[in-house]
Amino acid sequence: AQKITQTQPGMFVQEKEAVTLDCTYDTSDPSYGLFWYKQPSSGEMIFLIYQGSYDQQNATEGRYSLNFQKARKSANLVISASQLGDSAMYFCAMIPAGSGNTGKLIFGQGTTLQVKP
Amino acid sequence: SQTIHQWPATLVQPVGSPLSLECTVEGTSNPNLYWYRQAAGRGLQLLFYSVGIGQISSEVPQNLSASRPQDRQFILSSKKLLLSDSGFYLCAWSGYYNSDDINYGYTFGSGTRLTVV
Repeated sequence: AQKITQTQPGMFVQEKEAVTLDCTYDTSDPSYGLFWYKQPSSGEMIFLIYQGSYDQQNATEGRYSLNFQKARKSANLVISASQLGDSAMYFCAMIPAGSGNTGKLIFGQGTTLQVKP
Repeated sequence: SQTIHQWPATLVQPVGSPLSLECTVEGTSNPNLYWYRQAAGRGLQLLFYSVGIGQISSEVPQNLSASRPQDRQFILSSKKLLLSDSGFYLCAWSGYYNSDDINYGYTFGSGTRLTVV
């Protein structure tokens, strides 16, 4: 079964410190894409970062980096130098290539991050 | 550029009343379209997806239905709302057509917060 697991319902981090949000996935497809989205209290879903299963290097986008460990099936999000505006819910998600032309995105349950001043 | 519009932003409806939520996409053709529902503080559950006009796939049995009368229009409906239909509804589009497009991910609308009373 294809599944995304986020084991941290809530996390706190001090402003300016780094934080890691955990994500593990389960798929039998050799090809897949992994995504992280941020959802602030307004509800909008904001794309943060993407990692392809065949990418040799970990993805980075500004203060966001994805620690991709394929053998462990983990795709942790690292946020460096946390800011108060980073307080939000964060979702890990996956598109398995085996989803055909549907592109169905499978989401984890999310992690709520609170940044303390 | 591609944009996605979703309305209304909030809605309070009595039990047993009908529902119609609309989503339109601009700046792209033949997108894959999706309806997700999010319970408070939880992850996103895929309700329906569509890969073309008139083509609707349902992911979970429920009190809701979806239609795609035009290429870039996706409508979520109910004839009689239940209390359990309350939640945050998100429309999304994707340019994903096959495994070569796996990095497309999704673009989400701003969401509709539905409260059934």
